Amino acid sequence: NAGVTQTPKFRVLKTGQSMTLLCAQDMNHEYMYWYRQDPGMGLRLIHYSVGEGTTAKGEVPDGYNVSRLKKQNFLLGLESAAPSQTSVYFCASERGDSGYYEQYFGPGTRLTVT
Amino acid sequence: LAKTTQPISMDSYEGQEVNITCSHNNIATNDYITWYQQFPSQGPRFIIQGYKTKVTNEVASLFIPADRKSSTLSLPRVSLSDTAVYYCLVVNFNKFYFGSGTKLNVKP
Repeated sequence: NAGVTQTPKFRVLKTGQSMTLLCAQDMNHEYMYWYRQDPGMGLRLIHYSVGEGTTAKGEVPDGYNVSRLKKQNFLLGLESAAPSQTSVYFCASERGDSGYYEQYFGPGTRLTVT
Repeated sequence: LAKTTQPISMDSYEGQEVNITCSHNNIATNDYITWYQQFPSQGPRFIIQGYKTKVTNEVASLFIPADRKSSTLSLPRVSLSDTAVYYCLVVNFNKFYFGSGTKLNVKP
């Protein structure tokens, strides 16, 4: 039982390049989330999904796209990276049951855009 | 969406009890209160969740007064390894907000 895993752990991109971050969970959770965390700041929600095939915008969605084709995977895409997207990206999953709101986080992906 | 207000930082010494208070004046009837802990270079980790009164688990207690406009996370006898950022969230399904958290510094 690996919990929530993220690939890759580190990445350096040049401005304008694209990439996809992969999040996988093996807990059969319904809800999945992508956050970004800038130095010294709290987490900000980018996009989330409440089930396979669904996605929704969070607090800071611009410049990102997501897909949830399989229940266990949640992909975050950057189509044209910008230096402002330099951050640590965390994925999380949650059972999705009413009244039970524990999120399980992955180890994070440190992205630098030069 | 009920946002939260917490102290930016707190200092404590090993062996002391630490209480971190969070204000959430606009909490709605169906909202719950959760707390997370985050160490540097790691994702947050769930600590505890409550709706009203008191909840206790193996690592912390959560006190929520009757009006639910605030909550207090209590960490008994902290150690150096409890140095971390602690986030208070008001949650309801996929509606929640991570503020800047409280940076707890435990000194020897």
